Amino acid sequence: AQSVTQPDARVTVSEGASLQLRCKYSYFGTPYLFWYVQYPRQGLQLLLKYYPGDPVVQGVNGFEAEFSKSNSSFHLRKASVHWSDWAVYFCAVSMWSAGNKLTFGIGTRVLVRP
Amino acid sequence: AQTIHQWPVAEIKAVGSPLSLGCTIKGKSSPNLYWYWQATGGTLQQLFYSITVGQVESVVQLNLSASRPKDDQFILSTEKLLLSHSGFYLCAWSLAGNSDYTFGSGTRLLVI
Repeated sequence: AQSVTQPDARVTVSEGASLQLRCKYSYFGTPYLFWYVQYPRQGLQLLLKYYPGDPVVQGVNGFEAEFSKSNSSFHLRKASVHWSDWAVYFCAVSMWSAGNKLTFGIGTRVLVRP
Repeated sequence: AQTIHQWPVAEIKAVGSPLSLGCTIKGKSSPNLYWYWQATGGTLQQLFYSITVGQVESVVQLNLSASRPKDDQFILSTEKLLLSHSGFYLCAWSLAGNSDYTFGSGTRLLVI
């Protein structure tokens, strides 16, 4: 069965510093991978998605992620964090053969220090 | 442009009372529809999905039910709420055969 692991429940970063959020997936085959962001008391917004192809994908608001098949990972990065990046970030994997069910990790809460 | 609307925005309900949450998608015909639930501070669990009118598949048993009475409408309901039903409910849609989900803004439910 597909699964996603986000090992860091919470990450604290200073404004202007770089950010990396880790995501490891378990999936038999080639996955579709996603990063979503949930701002305080809001729904989910798609940051970026990976479909088989270029392993580095660019997203909105300066985010990018890199797919690694050998490491079964899809880490999210941002070069310079802004206070507005304070949110919960979810990694997700989709299995197209099961009705495109989107399975989420537990999320990583990002706190931004001024 | 496609829009997804969830109602109500928030509810406070008593244990044992009924619940009905709604979701409407405009601008897309025959979308796949999904209900997700998020416990406070938790991850998102898919509850139900529907690929066509009148057909709903249950993914997780939480004493809830779902129906799709129209192509653009998805309803989540229960006759008797439990405390454990508290949380954040999200509706989403995608095109058939497509993994791009678009989520609504959610309904926050508190059961007391």
